[in-house]
Amino acid sequence: RKEVEQDPGPFNVPEGATVAFNCTYSNSASQSFFWYRQDCRKEPKLLMSVYSSGNEDGRFTAQLNRASQYISLLIRDSKLSDSATYLCVVAHTGGGNKLTFGTGTQLKVEL
Amino acid sequence: GAGVSQSPSNKVTEKGKDVELRCDPISGHTALYWYRQSLGQGLEFLIYFQGNSAPDKSGLPSDRFSAERTGGSVSTLTIQRTQQEDSAVYLCASSPAWAGGIWSTDTQYFGPGTRLTVL
Repeated sequence: RKEVEQDPGPFNVPEGATVAFNCTYSNSASQSFFWYRQDCRKEPKLLMSVYSSGNEDGRFTAQLNRASQYISLLIRDSKLSDSATYLCVVAHTGGGNKLTFGTGTQLKVEL
Repeated sequence: GAGVSQSPSNKVTEKGKDVELRCDPISGHTALYWYRQSLGQGLEFLIYFQGNSAPDKSGLPSDRFSAERTGGSVSTLTIQRTQQEDSAVYLCASSPAWAGGIWSTDTQYFGPGTRLTVL
């Protein structure tokens, strides 16, 4: 079983739609959680950190459920420019300072 | 300011040859990481340097892989006797600091990567 699991998609949605991505992680010692965005043939870029209390950044909302080892990302009013692959990322300090990436969920926003 | 830079951007080599990939982290960043991303796969951690501490090499897939970081700045990832399964994008990232016990990956910045193709 992969340490971080995501539905690969692709999710094809119309512009303006709300889309939700989910991610599960297997290491209960995980302490830090992130969503990264990766455009085609580009490097990953941090989208937002994920906190237990939930956090929001404009149209993006991230949520963490430690009991279920589950992370979510909600994108409201999706734009064409949101088309990318969204990577769920987990880290645990006991394993050093490295990040464990999911394989990513591909989003395509269409007119 | 300048971001993380990597060179070359693309490298095509023949099976069995050695390759060196270079990473220039953001100036002042003490932590440096190497990852690789194979087609259709997630990013895979390879090695991590933090200041003068011994590197965390736990992600290196075989003894053909090694990395150095000179003067706490530039890093070189070396792959000896390359195999076709080594073909991937090799990504380098840096972050300002790891203050023991405090995780700060909010500030982990990635370079554009080196696309390695082993024929």
